[in-house]
Amino acid sequence: QSALTQPPSVSGSPGQSVTISCTGTSSDVGSYNRVSWYQQPPGTAPKLMIYEVSNRPSGVPDRFSGSKSDNTASLTISGLQAEDEADYYCSSYTSSSTWVFGGGTKLTVL
Amino acid sequence: EVQLVESGGGLVQPGGSLRLSCAASEFTFSSHAMSWVRQAPGKGLEWVSAISGAGISTYYADSVKGRFTISRDNSKNTLYLQLSSLRAEDTAVYYCAKHQVQSRDAFDIWGEGTMVTVSS
Repeated sequence: QSALTQPPSVSGSPGQSVTISCTGTSSDVGSYNRVSWYQQPPGTAPKLMIYEVSNRPSGVPDRFSGSKSDNTASLTISGLQAEDEADYYCSSYTSSSTWVFGGGTKLTVL
Repeated sequence: EVQLVESGGGLVQPGGSLRLSCAASEFTFSSHAMSWVRQAPGKGLEWVSAISGAGISTYYADSVKGRFTISRDNSKNTLYLQLSSLRAEDTAVYYCAKHQVQSRDAFDIWGEGTMVTVSS
């Protein structure tokens, strides 16, 4: 199972919006609405930010939103804040009943 | 507070074995599938294995199939991962993660991880 494809890095200034893409295949992202996004600041454990493509767990700001089109999912962070600086990972359930992660995207808030 | 605490990591020689544990608290452990996810130093996340709430169904990444075994003891609220035939590329922080309900659901709670180093 190959990793999902994410851009290595994105950046934006405070208040701006950024979008992180996550491209898979018809065996994972394209087949299921089981795409989730995780935030991982340096030295900490991942935290769930989005599940089932576009749903936010309790406590996650509505500045974080998710979407999907065909084999590509996206995470958009609006109104960027310094605290959003972290690594972000997408993940998808697959047709093999396994999970696959993206390679991760480092978000820098300028 | 829902919590997962991993233990059992350490330094092991290539070809060796290790058993990781993950103690769960403050949720109905048997009602949730659980997974192990690892992260090599400076690298991304890699899903390793999952187990259903009752422990009947197990799933593995191709990279560990036949070498790692996932299990759980619902009477002790504990998840395990038996690592065997270890290789240098298995060196990583191993996280246990709780699924929202089933193994096809997202990982909503993560532990802090335990480090496994495979080296001679």
